[in-house]
Amino acid sequence: GAVVSQHPSWVICKSGTSVKIECRSLDFQATTMFWYRQFPKQSLMLMATSNEGSKATYEQGVEKDKFLINHASLTLSTLTVTSAHPEDSSFYICSAYGTIFEETQYFGPGTRLLVL
Amino acid sequence: GIQVEQSPPDLILQEGANSTLRCNFSDSVNNLQWFHQNPWGQLINLFYIPSGTKQNGRLSATTVATERYSLLYISSSQTTDSGVYFCAVGGDSNYQLIWGAGTKLIIKP
Repeated sequence: GAVVSQHPSWVICKSGTSVKIECRSLDFQATTMFWYRQFPKQSLMLMATSNEGSKATYEQGVEKDKFLINHASLTLSTLTVTSAHPEDSSFYICSAYGTIFEETQYFGPGTRLLVL
Repeated sequence: GIQVEQSPPDLILQEGANSTLRCNFSDSVNNLQWFHQNPWGQLINLFYIPSGTKQNGRLSATTVATERYSLLYISSSQTTDSGVYFCAVGGDSNYQLIWGAGTKLIIKP
């Protein structure tokens, strides 16, 4: 149990395009989902927290217009990187926190984004 | 806010060796977790351990909440144990986690 998927796992795009990343909880309902960004050889940096049906809460310094988060259902959250630029290249990881597994977040496999 | 410090930052061991990873935190917490990030980036939950001791196969963890530290023990290391081990503690609200910088473990065959 407690499986979280992320799609796509890899994406390469040209500067100026928008990229959507999906995060799904496959076998539980995720009341809260988190989006993280991880730079090489660094720890995870929380970008935003999203609760189903409400607006995401962004961490200080994260541009909400650049990183659009939608948590439309209890099993799906999406992160859209709008007008991506090379500095947005990173490893993006989502996690889900559900009503069944109250003690911990479960993580997706991550999405590597490369903006050329 | 709560500070989380992990040590050592890097650890290189031969297969079969034992290791101890440490996590210190600056304030009382109600949530402490250990994760393993494999070389492909997948984060795997190891332990939810705000206090006490737990064991799972070759891995065990102990948290002494009153002294604000946690230890992760890996016995009889295997090459598949390589990766980065993160300690994360519960923050103020919304189940957020505050992450340590990680310990990078390399197990040589």
